[in-house]
Amino acid sequence: GAGVSQSPRYKVAKRGQDVALRCDPISGHVSLFWYQQALGQGPEFLTYFQNEAQLDKSGLPSDRFFAERPEGSVSTLKIQRTQQEDSAVYLCASSPRGKTSSNQPQHFGDGTRLSIL
Amino acid sequence: GQQVMQIPQYQHVQEGEDFTTYCNSSTTLSNIQWYKQRPGGHPVFLIQLVKSGEVKKQKRLTFQFGEAKKNSSLHITATQTTDVGTYFCAGPEETSGSRLTFGEGTQLTVNP
Repeated sequence: GAGVSQSPRYKVAKRGQDVALRCDPISGHVSLFWYQQALGQGPEFLTYFQNEAQLDKSGLPSDRFFAERPEGSVSTLKIQRTQQEDSAVYLCASSPRGKTSSNQPQHFGDGTRLSIL
Repeated sequence: GQQVMQIPQYQHVQEGEDFTTYCNSSTTLSNIQWYKQRPGGHPVFLIQLVKSGEVKKQKRLTFQFGEAKKNSSLHITATQTTDVGTYFCAGPEETSGSRLTFGEGTQLTVNP
């Protein structure tokens, strides 16, 4: 597809379960970002990849959150031992280049709406 | 850390009225980006401003970047129902050029 693809669109899990969210960026895009968006709030940065290298993970809220992009394309965000406060929409975005990527528009996927019961 | 604030949080207008949202950063920005998110949708890039005092127009939308590069505004002339959504500004962190800090957004509703 032409855009950023995320799956699943919706995920319901019980507290304590592990979840994995997938992001397929636009083909050829070097930079990949994960954001968390709570209801009525702006996206909050979680982590950033340049190709397969995770260059910034300062936004990950705890060590239960882990992200990878092993081949520099598809990325997975994993949340272990989920808690109710993890309920949010998780957005993935990509942009074409690596350096000075904050100067480039970011292309967002539709997100995964995660609900923890 | 860097903070990006937007006002108002909500704005309700009658179709045909004008609308303005304001964005203020706690730090000087190298650039500012604006995004629109429709209800149930994802943020979509609108524009990027780089230069101090820059003004850009997209049809009925006018974007400004402040002289000090710490604030910005988005003005919509003669709103239409298709303008409904939340408008976010976002600026890069100074210490980490890769990450964007988003404001909390202004949610616009337009009554026909």
